[in-house]
Amino acid sequence: QITLKESGPTLVKPTQTLTLTCTFSGFSLTTSGVGVAWIRQPPGKALEWLALIYWDDDKRYSPSLKSRLTITKDTSKTQVVLTMSNMDPVDTATYYCAHSGDGDSIDYWGQGTLVTVSS
Amino acid sequence: QLVLTQSPSASASLGASVKLTCTLTSDHSRWAIAWHQQRPEKGPRYLMKLNSDGSHSKGDGIPDRFSGSSSGAERYLTISSLQSEDEADYYCQTWGTGIWVFGGGTKLTVL
Repeated sequence: QITLKESGPTLVKPTQTLTLTCTFSGFSLTTSGVGVAWIRQPPGKALEWLALIYWDDDKRYSPSLKSRLTITKDTSKTQVVLTMSNMDPVDTATYYCAHSGDGDSIDYWGQGTLVTVSS
Repeated sequence: QLVLTQSPSASASLGASVKLTCTLTSDHSRWAIAWHQQRPEKGPRYLMKLNSDGSHSKGDGIPDRFSGSSSGAERYLTISSLQSEDEADYYCQTWGTGIWVFGGGTKLTVL
């Protein structure tokens, strides 16, 4: 059974760097084709893809946010970490991590974590 | 530029069928997509992966009432025998050339 769970601060101040952790189970991020992605959703708005890391450590970023994002996976391969620099109130959103078994479509979602950016 | 277009809203009666549309940009008309459902105040749930030929593979536990089809650059999600629990936002998602993209979502109201 594949599960993913996001963790991190619920409140960050403007200009700070956000660090979110996705802890997963039920799959290995060393399996060929597998990827883990981060997606966010501002209140009342649509989903927005942020970043993706593949089993071979290939990394992809949203072009509009690339300069602010870093995605990594830990050596035990059961966590993926996303950092987003220079946070702004417009970055207030629920942040989701998700699994892709073929590196293309999302097939499992985490429950999400709400991050508020405010001074 | 890769874009997915969805109508903002749709409605249908309890027990009826509804067909939601996700349109790819013409240059990407052969690309596969995925459909995701997001019920009110809940996280998204994967429904299916839908190919350009209409073949699709559904996620765990997705009822037979949910099906997908394709025509040209359009990808469809059909929900039959609508139930109140189907009232949700539906998003399409695609991938390619190093990026992932989501459509703007369709809010489905079950009357």
